[in-house]
Amino acid sequence: EVQLVESGGGLVEPGGSLRLSCAASGFTFSNAWMNWVRQAPGKGLEWVGRITDKTDGGTAGYAAPVKGRFTISRDDSKTTLYLQMNSLKTEDTAVYYCTTPGIVVPGTRGSFDIWGQGTLVTVSS
Amino acid sequence: EIVLTQSPDFQSVTPKEKVTITCRASQRIGSSLHWYQQKPDQSPKLLIKYTSQSISGVPSRFSGSGSGTDFTLTINSLETEDAATYYCHQSYSLPWTFGQGTKVEIK
Repeated sequence: EVQLVESGGGLVEPGGSLRLSCAASGFTFSNAWMNWVRQAPGKGLEWVGRITDKTDGGTAGYAAPVKGRFTISRDDSKTTLYLQMNSLKTEDTAVYYCTTPGIVVPGTRGSFDIWGQGTLVTVSS
Repeated sequence: EIVLTQSPDFQSVTPKEKVTITCRASQRIGSSLHWYQQKPDQSPKLLIKYTSQSISGVPSRFSGSGSGTDFTLTINSLETEDAATYYCHQSYSLPWTFGQGTKVEIK
């Protein structure tokens, strides 16, 4: 069964740091592009960033609000995706989802076919 | 950044009615437009990818069309289980972006 399971959410003070994890199973993780998407309470979906697979350079790209503060990485040996969040702000409060197109042909890696259940991050003093 | 604008923001519809949701991009995005359904307290679910490609397990009443800057999600013969918020998303260029969402309520 294809599955993504996020963990690491919780309450953190403004200016603090947190690292989220996303454990993947049921597909060849090392060949998959991986993304983080967040949703603030009562709001819409917001793309946070993505990392390509090693074949495509393992390159990360980010949304403007998190660029310079958040870092996406992956450990293919552990089939796990990470989101390191530093200098957290109250506006980063959201449910964070891990998502991926899975294994698809090159050129069609932009859709989010598989989603995790999300993990809640609350930034508050 | 490519801005996606959905219309309407909210729609109240009777069962069996046809629903049309549009998504307009601020610049041309080829066919790199995808649609998702999100029900309360659930993760989003992919409905249509690359404008019109159907997804296994998604009912055939959901379809997508469009090109360039204007795209449409159509739900033929709405069912009560289709009450949800629908989002479009572009993967044409970074940063990838979502529309603001369209909430569909059942009358």
